[in-house]
Amino acid sequence: EDKVVQSPLSLVVHEGDTVTLNCSYEVTNFRSLLWYKQEKKAPTFLFMLTSSGIEKKSGRLSSILDKKELFSILNITATQTGDSAIYLCAAYSGAGSYQLTFGKGTKLSVIP
Amino acid sequence: EAGVTQFPSHSVIEKGQTVTLRCDPISGHDNLYWYRRVMGKEIKFLLHFVKESKQDESGMPNNRFLAERTGGTYSTLKVQPAELEDSGVYFCASSQGTAWGSTDTQYFGPGTRLTVL
Repeated sequence: EDKVVQSPLSLVVHEGDTVTLNCSYEVTNFRSLLWYKQEKKAPTFLFMLTSSGIEKKSGRLSSILDKKELFSILNITATQTGDSAIYLCAAYSGAGSYQLTFGKGTKLSVIP
Repeated sequence: EAGVTQFPSHSVIEKGQTVTLRCDPISGHDNLYWYRRVMGKEIKFLLHFVKESKQDESGMPNNRFLAERTGGTYSTLKVQPAELEDSGVYFCASSQGTAWGSTDTQYFGPGTRLTVL
């Protein structure tokens, strides 16, 4: 069965800290990995990673994929209280399948 | 551009009743997906439409769940009769749809929280 595991499940940091969120996956016919941020309601898209070793960056957020070791990390530098959210990792798997397999998420709390 | 919208935001029903959830995808998106998150668990895939056709319904839990997408625009997910274990947050997502076998970004709605008492 396809599986995505995120760690840690919960994290509390102070503003200005740098955090690294982890996502490992075991999926058949892996194709790409997506990161989402869920604040109150709708998960909002952050990154899609398809190729190994190529960093994607958006402001203070960055992410990279390692297809050999089957994991991805999401880095957030100089954290702000607005970064507090649940960060979800999901993988596309299977030949011709469009379903995403999700991890349980990492709940990040940034305190002033 | 409007995002994916879902109605209602929250529904509380009794066991044995029927509930219908609605999803309006982003305009022009051919692909529409339903997912569900039960408490303490990860978000799980239910089914996928391409336009009005069911492409993959491998995640539907049982025949009490019926999804439709008449006309290839909005979709409904009906649960009849509802059971306690159906409680959770039901998310809808849509994507534009590209060449077969490729992947494209799924954009999620805010979810409908279903509580079955």
